[in-house]
Amino acid sequence: QLQLQESGPGLVKPSETLSLTCTISGDSISSSAYYWGWIRQSPGKGLEWIGSIYYSGSTYYNPSLKSRVTVSVDTSKNQFSLKLSSVTAADTAVYYCARHSGAGRPNFDYWGQGTLVTVSS
Amino acid sequence: QSALTQPPSVSGSPGQSVTVSCTGTSSDVGGYKYVSWYQQHPGKAPKLMIYDVDKRPSGVPDRISGSKSGNTASLTISGLQAEDEAEYYCCSHAGTSTYVFGTGTEVTVL
Repeated sequence: QLQLQESGPGLVKPSETLSLTCTISGDSISSSAYYWGWIRQSPGKGLEWIGSIYYSGSTYYNPSLKSRVTVSVDTSKNQFSLKLSSVTAADTAVYYCARHSGAGRPNFDYWGQGTLVTVSS
Repeated sequence: QSALTQPPSVSGSPGQSVTVSCTGTSSDVGGYKYVSWYQQHPGKAPKLMIYDVDKRPSGVPDRISGSKSGNTASLTISGLQAEDEAEYYCCSHAGTSTYVFGTGTEVTVL
């Protein structure tokens, strides 16, 4: 059974960089059929796609966040990561990692449980 | 890239049908056959209910269905049950492998 687990600091200071890792178990991140993405949800708000990556390293980002986002993959650890720079209180959210198939196909079928990241001094 | 527009809430009695709309533009919903729907209960991760406009993942009951006409996609829940009470989000391909979610709709079972 595929499982995804987010990990990283729950508190980040304004202007610093948010860093999260998603560890995959039950499948290989190098599976050619899937892409791996990050989605966030601000408290009481809706979902926002942040970016996705293929195991080869090809990345796709939300245009509104592109200048601050980096998604990377570590196939040896079966993990992929998110870095969001210059954070503000508006970046406070629950961050989810998820799997989807095919570039352009938003069928996020497996999700992590989510991790709350608060931006505050 | 603006969020897709969904009604804030819809409601229905047990056994009835409800439909949730998701309105975008020709650059997202209207331009691709890639619309998905998610159910989210409070404090939980979203669950995929519909993908590729009208396909159901294994385990999703057939009383859940999806469709699309022009720039508007729809999710219909037939035979409404108490367990269907949740927040529902649509999501569409928005070009160059980017995605946009809807604003979310709270479905209430009366």
